[in-house]
Amino acid sequence: ETGVTQTPRHLVMGMTNKKSLKCEQHLGHNAMYWYKQSAKKPLELMFVYNFKEQTENNSVPSRFSPECPNSSHLFLHLHTLQPEDSALYLCASSQNPSDPSYEQYFGPGTRLTVT
Amino acid sequence: LAKTTQPISMDSYEGQEVNITCSHNNIATNDYITWYQQFPSQGPRFIIQGYKTKVTNEVASLFIPADRKSSTLSLPRVSLSDTAVYYCLVGEEGSGGYNKLIFGAGTRLAVHP
Repeated sequence: ETGVTQTPRHLVMGMTNKKSLKCEQHLGHNAMYWYKQSAKKPLELMFVYNFKEQTENNSVPSRFSPECPNSSHLFLHLHTLQPEDSALYLCASSQNPSDPSYEQYFGPGTRLTVT
Repeated sequence: LAKTTQPISMDSYEGQEVNITCSHNNIATNDYITWYQQFPSQGPRFIIQGYKTKVTNEVASLFIPADRKSSTLSLPRVSLSDTAVYYCLVGEEGSGGYNKLIFGAGTRLAVHP
């Protein structure tokens, strides 16, 4: 247990569906992150939030829409995804955004399959 | 653009020392170098971090040369349970007051009996 939880753990959705991934951290951290991890590819940072404000968007397609209502919760809303979006989506939190000296705590991930 | 390079895979045997090197030419001046370990179906977890020279904790050592353009993670006397993917993480000078986090592609370590 890292103090970061993600739901659901597994998700299968069609290309026309709308779904949301949820992340919650119980560590009192200020920064939260969404990563995408595809098979045989490195971790790709998607979004960074600091105190609910988005500080980084790494050219992520608009079919991925993040939401951070408070510093403990982070959502990733999904719509009209493509099969190549199938991947493990990881959430992480840390005390300070975009500073590797602050340890990132990762959730277990959501395994997403787009059919 | 920043480029963080690590070997794709390594093989070792139980009891051996394993050294994994990451090259990071564009590391931000004041940022630390951090290494993470990831097991299948889990998120990465922190192993060790350092700024320069050598750092040692209960699980690993980290060697960083003076120019900080690379770092070497050293795992002493590996066991089968050390089979995992190892990532280096550095920061690159960014805009808006925030550095850009750059993960390496990961090194898949296989430890054999």
